This record gives sequence, structure tokens and C-alpha cells, in this order.
Amino acid sequence: SQTIHQWPATLVQPVGSPLSLECTVEGTSNPNLYWYRQAAGRGLQLLFYSVGIGQISSEVPQNLSASRPQDRQFILSSKKLLLSDSGFYLCAWGKAPLYNLHFGNGTRLTVT
Amino acid sequence: GIQVEQSPPDLILQEGANSTLRCNFSDSVNNLQWFHQNPWGQLINLFYIPSGTKQNGRLSATTVATERYSLLYISSSQTTDSGVYFCAVERETSGSRLTFGEGTQLTVNP
Repeated sequence: SQTIHQWPATLVQPVGSPLSLECTVEGTSNPNLYWYRQAAGRGLQLLFYSVGIGQISSEVPQNLSASRPQDRQFILSSKKLLLSDSGFYLCAWGKAPLYNLHFGNGTRLTVT
Repeated sequence: GIQVEQSPPDLILQEGANSTLRCNFSDSVNNLQWFHQNPWGQLINLFYIPSGTKQNGRLSATTVATERYSLLYISSSQTTDSGVYFCAVERETSGSRLTFGEGTQLTVNP
């Protein structure tokens, strides 16, 4: 069966520090991969998605970047965090033909 | 982009009650999914239902694509049903850009 791992679960970082969140998927190949952010309140905002190694699409201009160095690995990064980067970050995967989204457990990031 | 509206925004029930959650969308879709986010933040895919009706235990969903809405039914609610329910849609089933609604916060009291 497929599983998705996301870490760390919680993170407190000072403003201006770098960020690296990692997500890996097991049990499938060539999935679509996604990073979402959920700020205070409820809505999920799509930040990045990837349909293959090295292929990244950005949905919202921001202080963040994403990379996919391997088929089942997706990394969210920032060189210098802002207070507004605080939130709940969720990684997800999906695959043809239905693209049911499956989410990781998320990372709660607090920028202080 | 496509707009997704969910109602009601908040719902409080007593255990055992039934409920209906609604999702309206502004354009034709080929991909519609319902999710449940538990109080710890974990998101679980409930249904892939761009049209028609599906049932899974006490949960069922119906999408009327021609009228651009979907309904999620919860019967005999339990405290573990508490959390936020999201609807997400996409015009084409490419899996690239699901748009989420703002969710319905459900609280089931014992």
C-alpha cells in the first residue's frame, strides 16, 4: 500500500532563517506531488505541484520554492522565512486516472 | 478561476443526528473530491465523485454536475465525525490544480 511521510511535525523558526520541509511517498511511482498551506482559518492554498522529477509549477508568488530531486521526494524550501510564512503545510500525492489526493500529516510552522 | 462555496460554514449536532453539507461550484468539473480533516489536522479523502452518488458506511455523497453542486450526507453522526469537511474541484481530471472550498466545521456533541 502507498504511504506518505512528511516531517517534521512541528517547527519553530526565527524570522530570516532558512526552511526545508521534506515529503516522501512509498508504494507508487511517478505520482503527482503537491504542497498546500493552511493558514489560520480553514482554506487550503495550493503552493506548488509537480508532475515529474524536476518539474515544478508554482501557484502563488511567494517567499518559498519547491524541488523534486527524486521521483517520490518533494521538498519545500525558503532562504529567509517571514512572519507570514507561518501556517500548516501539507504534502499530498495523487495519480491517474482519478487523482484522489492523499495527504501527509502536515507540518505546523511558526515563524517568530 | 473556479469558485467553490461550502455551506453551512459551521454546524453543531448532537450524536445520532443526520446532516447535509453542500458544495456549490461555479463551472463544469470533471474532478470533485470530499475530504475530512480531523481535529489533529489529518486530511482523509472521503469520496471522488464528479457525478452520481456513492456511499461508504454512514457517509454518502451526491453530485449533480449539471446544476453544479454536491452534497455530503452524514447519518447517525458520532463524535469522531467532528472536524472540517472540504470539497475540492477541478475542471479537468489532470490532477494538477484542485481548488478547495473553505470547509464546513462540524462539531458533534455526545
